[in-house]
Amino acid sequence: EAQVTQNPRYLITVTGKKLTVTCSQNMNHEYMSWYRQDPGLGLRQIYYSMNVEVTDKGDVPEGYKVSRKEKRNFPLILESPSPNQTSLYFCASSLWYGGPQSVSGANVLTFGAGSRLTVL
Amino acid sequence: DAKTTQPTSMDCAEGRAANLPCNHSTISGNEYVYWYRQIHSQGPQYIIHGLKNNETNEMASLIITEDRKSSTLILPHATLRDTAVYYCIVRVAGIQGAQKLVFGQGTRLTINP
Repeated sequence: EAQVTQNPRYLITVTGKKLTVTCSQNMNHEYMSWYRQDPGLGLRQIYYSMNVEVTDKGDVPEGYKVSRKEKRNFPLILESPSPNQTSLYFCASSLWYGGPQSVSGANVLTFGAGSRLTVL
Repeated sequence: DAKTTQPTSMDCAEGRAANLPCNHSTISGNEYVYWYRQIHSQGPQYIIHGLKNNETNEMASLIITEDRKSSTLILPHATLRDTAVYYCIVRVAGIQGAQKLVFGQGTRLTINP
């Protein structure tokens, strides 16, 4: 089954304890992205990656790191988590990153089930 | 950047057609309109997308006005399982043309029995 898998789905941690949220897709997608969702603020993009070793900041990158060493994996790293990073996180992927003349359908995002993170 | 405007909430009776409007008056000629929905706190789910022609798939229909400044998502026979937040999105080109889907607040659609 084509899917985006995130782990862990739920995590409670303490301030300053480094953690990694993994994201893996089995669709050979080039583009991957991380979002966080907070009440009243909607979905906001943290980082995205257009391909292996190509990553860039989204709208709210502070406090996060990412890497894309393999096409299928795009982990989100919180080096020193703080309570304001308590949120619901989603990983997503699409076939292509999509330039101005993108092929219809190539930009459709498939989302993971979400990871609910609580930092105490 | 093209932005979208949607009503905050809507209600629809089960079995009736749900029509969700979206304004995107600053859309440019090569930008697609995408619709996603999010049921409770699950990952957003793709519904449909279009450029200028009306589109239909097994989930919904998308009607785009001729000037492309607005669109309507139609769920032809809404069921209770269609209760969700619906996002209308116009893809925005980021650095090097990378896609950037900006999710607004969406429309909270409630299907009533």
